Amino acid sequence: DTGVSQNPRHKITKRGQNVTFRCDPISEHNRLYWYRQTLGQGPEFLTYFQNEAQLEKSRLLSDRFSAERPKGSFSTLEIQRTEQGDSAMYLCASSQGQASYNEQFFGPGTRLTVL
Amino acid sequence: TQLLEQSPQFLSIQEGENLTVYCNSSSVFSSLQWYRQEPGEGPVLLVTVVTGGEVKKLKRLTFQFGDARKDSSLHITAAQPGDTGLYLCAGDYKLSFGAGTTVTVRA
Repeated sequence: DTGVSQNPRHKITKRGQNVTFRCDPISEHNRLYWYRQTLGQGPEFLTYFQNEAQLEKSRLLSDRFSAERPKGSFSTLEIQRTEQGDSAMYLCASSQGQASYNEQFFGPGTRLTVL
Repeated sequence: TQLLEQSPQFLSIQEGENLTVYCNSSSVFSSLQWYRQEPGEGPVLLVTVVTGGEVKKLKRLTFQFGDARKDSSLHITAAQPGDTGLYLCAGDYKLSFGAGTTVTVRA
């Protein structure tokens, strides 16, 4: 396991459809994060898990968004009834440790385009 | 709203020149991280600074954390085309990112 992987890398969907993205973190990492990044901006925090527990969700995460990490390993991010404004790069990161700072390692991202 | 402000937003220089990118905030951070991101890829961690006044060097890259832990800078000496990318600073465990500085190094 050499790094964080995300699937798919690209997703094109029509408005109103549901989409699901998967993230596989570095195997020994207990924390997993989801971010959203739009063109010309830095990543924006969406939510994070410690093991299987979802500890925090951003107010950016509307009711149409849900994330799970059922066994404390891989995670999924689902967007229901997609809107054009959901078009963005969705990034996953993982880290190990309890420290207030912890180095996060990012996956390559999933580029979502909503038509 | 991003807590960290980066400047400049864009920087284009000739190969061999030096450049400095700044990251500023009104908030105090327990740590600050610098990443580089290439188009279509996720950010790649360059360095973490933790102690106020800390200076870290990574080959031609020098990172400094302000004494008050509210600001940081990244200096690149003798830039090369391979340094081209989006440089992002981020603070604390949720990684409040700045908007980034797009650096282009022309051959």
